[in-house]
Amino acid sequence: GNSVTQMEGPVTLSEEAFLTINCTYTATGYPSLFWYVQYPGEGLQLLLKATKADDKGSNKGFEATYRKETTSFHLEKGSVQVSDSAVYFCAESFYNQGGKLIFGQGTELSVKP
Amino acid sequence: GAGVSQSPSNKVTEKGKDVELRCDPISGHTALYWYRQRLGQGLEFLIYFQGNSAPDKSGLPSDRFSAERTGESVSTLTIQRTQQEDSAVYLCASSLSLAAANTGELFFGEGSRLTVL
Repeated sequence: GNSVTQMEGPVTLSEEAFLTINCTYTATGYPSLFWYVQYPGEGLQLLLKATKADDKGSNKGFEATYRKETTSFHLEKGSVQVSDSAVYFCAESFYNQGGKLIFGQGTELSVKP
Repeated sequence: GAGVSQSPSNKVTEKGKDVELRCDPISGHTALYWYRQRLGQGLEFLIYFQGNSAPDKSGLPSDRFSAERTGESVSTLTIQRTQQEDSAVYLCASSLSLAAANTGELFFGEGSRLTVL
């Protein structure tokens, strides 16, 4: 079946450290891939996306590249800030599936000053 | 309001009781989704509504779960005869259209945390 697996958290980093949150997916077709972020006290919001192999999604200094050969969509940021502390969710969806998302379990990131 | 609003934010109930969770989507959004997140797990799709089409109920875990939506506005998720395994955060999301939802443009509420004792 289709599924998404993320690295377990919590992840604790110092400000300006490099961030990687791993995400791998399984799919019977060709999914679109997403990263959502949930800041404390807020709802999930779309951070970035990629719709086909080798696409790179980017936003707010975060990047993720759709790697079909490794079925991965790892989230990276070169220099994290305290304000990046949040829970990050990787997700996939398939065209003509009504916009339904298949989520990973979420990874909590805590950035210390 | 400008965003998706859910109520109650927290609900504690006794096993066997019925609960209703409410979602007010963003005005004008035709697509509405319910998800569930149990502790330590990812979000699970429950049901979605798109305009006047029949809802996709394929994610509802049992017949104790049901949901309604009035036109393109408020939705209510009802859980009858609650069980302890129903304890979770229930999230609602809306999207301007199905096409927008397919591109990931979903707007989520903060969720309703349900605890069944």
